[in-house]
Amino acid sequence: TQLLEQSPQFLSIQEGENLTVYCNSSSVFSSLQWYRQEPGEGPVLLVTVVTGGEVKKLKRLTFQFGDARKDSSLHITAAQPGDTGLYLCAGARGNNFNKFYFGSGTKLNVKP
Amino acid sequence: GAVVSQHPSWVICKSGTSVKIECRSLDFQATTMFWYRQFPKQSLMLMATSNEGSKATYEQGVEKDKFLINHASLTLSTLTVTSAHPEDSSFYICSATPGLAGSGNEQFFGPGTRLTVL
Repeated sequence: TQLLEQSPQFLSIQEGENLTVYCNSSSVFSSLQWYRQEPGEGPVLLVTVVTGGEVKKLKRLTFQFGDARKDSSLHITAAQPGDTGLYLCAGARGNNFNKFYFGSGTKLNVKP
Repeated sequence: GAVVSQHPSWVICKSGTSVKIECRSLDFQATTMFWYRQFPKQSLMLMATSNEGSKATYEQGVEKDKFLINHASLTLSTLTVTSAHPEDSSFYICSATPGLAGSGNEQFFGPGTRLTVL
């Protein structure tokens, strides 16, 4: 059973479109991270959110942590082909702030 | 940023043999390292938490006698897949953090090791 469910699983869009990826759980997390992974490589950290309701922006990417710290979203504005990859959310529970459990993943393909 | 390396990057072995994968933190001391496995088109599944100088803590469903973890120094952890079988074929990824589990430090991921068991 996956602790964190991501939706959608797959997303194929045209360059310039906006998109949102969701990460949901019935559990409360002390912190949540978003990663992007290229095929055959390890994941690369994009952002860490720790406060309920927190919003962080990274250029065209906007990350939000739910008020109850059970869910999070990643919004990409004007997607580019370079955004193509596997997006993973990962949550830490309790006092184990750096023991993270990964979500099911969202495979994004941005077509030129 | 901190760099974590893995060796080998890929390995092909015969069924029944054992394979050792190394995870090294190149420019920092890693008190804690994590081992994950990832099947094609799937997410990362945490296998175990490795603390330097102590026994690894395995996640539920992961056989500790099958996946031997040794964190002998502050810069090196090894994962040995014993008596490997085709179902052990996967992408194994390690991550390292400067602090103890629970301290809130960022973890840095290695590039992964592709294991194929024939």
